[in-house]
Amino acid sequence: GENVEQHPSTLSVQEGDSAVIKCTYSDSASNYFPWYKQELGKRPQLIIDIRSNVGEKKDQRIAVTLNKTAKHFSLHITETQPEDSAVYFCAASGGSNTGKLIFGQGTTLQVKP
Amino acid sequence: DTGVSQDPRHKITKRGQNVTFRCDPISEHNRLYWYRQTLGQGPEFLTYFQNEAQLEKSRLLSDRFSAERPKGSFSTLEIQRTEQGDSAMYLCASSARGANTGELFFGEGSRLTVL
Repeated sequence: GENVEQHPSTLSVQEGDSAVIKCTYSDSASNYFPWYKQELGKRPQLIIDIRSNVGEKKDQRIAVTLNKTAKHFSLHITETQPEDSAVYFCAASGGSNTGKLIFGQGTTLQVKP
Repeated sequence: DTGVSQDPRHKITKRGQNVTFRCDPISEHNRLYWYRQTLGQGPEFLTYFQNEAQLEKSRLLSDRFSAERPKGSFSTLEIQRTEQGDSAMYLCASSARGANTGELFFGEGSRLTVL
């Protein structure tokens, strides 16, 4: 069945360091890979996404890379700041005939000042 | 506020009771999704609509769960004969018209506690 695995479950970094979160997906028909940030008690919000025709996308301090052959994608945050502390979820579209997103289990990122 | 709104925000009920949640999506969005989220987990897909048509329902979803979107605008999610395992945050999301899956805009969620 469709599945998205996300690692690590928790990540602690010092302010200014980089953080990397990795996800793998099972459905080779998946073609859309967003990342959501969820602060405590808040709704998930999209921070960056990538489609399968692109290998990398960058937006200021965040970037996402996609390896379709290996079926994995990663989120990179550089120059981390305390306000980056949150739970991050990766997701993959459910295939060519569905509009649903399958989410990973989440990574709790803590940026220590 | 023109975002996705959900009602009620919190619901406490006794086991065996029925509960209903409502979601009002962003007005121009034609897709509407229901997800369930428990503590420390990612959102779990329940079902989604394109306009008034329910296009997909999770195989893991019990028959006690039913969702409707009668006029292609707001949606309701009903849980019958609630169980303690139904306690979770129920998230609604909507996305814009388009052939490809795109950004989901989430509501604040409806937190269900079953005693």
